[in-house]
Amino acid sequence: GQNIDQPTEMTATEGAIVQINCTYQTSGFNGLFWYQQHAGEAPTFLSYNVLDGLEEKGRFSSFLSRSKGYSYLLLKELQMKDSASYLCASMDSNYQLIWGAGTKLIIKP
Amino acid sequence: GAVVSQHPSWVICKSGTSVKIECRSLDFQATTMFWYRQFPKQSLMLMATSNEGSKATYEQGVEKDKFLINHASLTLSTLTVTSAHPEDSSFYICSARGGTSRETQYFGPGTRLLVL
Repeated sequence: GQNIDQPTEMTATEGAIVQINCTYQTSGFNGLFWYQQHAGEAPTFLSYNVLDGLEEKGRFSSFLSRSKGYSYLLLKELQMKDSASYLCASMDSNYQLIWGAGTKLIIKP
Repeated sequence: GAVVSQHPSWVICKSGTSVKIECRSLDFQATTMFWYRQFPKQSLMLMATSNEGSKATYEQGVEKDKFLINHASLTLSTLTVTSAHPEDSSFYICSARGGTSRETQYFGPGTRLLVL
């Protein structure tokens, strides 16, 4: 079957670092996406990983291990505006996205 | 680049009426567009996938006669909620894929529908 798991909620402190993990089981895997969704808004694209390794984009980095079916999103120098839900999604052999339920990240001052 | 717009952003209608939502890719040609629905504090639910010039593919449990999708051009897709009922009240979000990034879906800002 196809499955995505990520924590429901995480809390972190402003200025700190947080890592949001995602594990997946996807047939015909074609890559792993991370999206950010603020409350009441549509998702915005953060990253796409298809090869193993770490990709850095400013304060945000995304890592993928295809052999382990594992990805994480790393957020550095946390700001209050980073409070949002972070959605992990894997792409299957039909180029369809399988969505995780999202991780709600709460940033405290 | 990769901007997707949706119109309207908010709509309130009476039960039994039909509502049309437009989704446009502004700076790229979208070979595929997706329609999602999201209820409060719940996950995104894919309703249908549409390719330009062909019929939409609906997810299981989504009534194609109730949610009419038209993908008439490479930059425009419309979702019509026919004979809307209060249980159709939700956040409807479109996304588009195409242009230089064949894999990435870019989302519109969403349309909030309230059926009275």
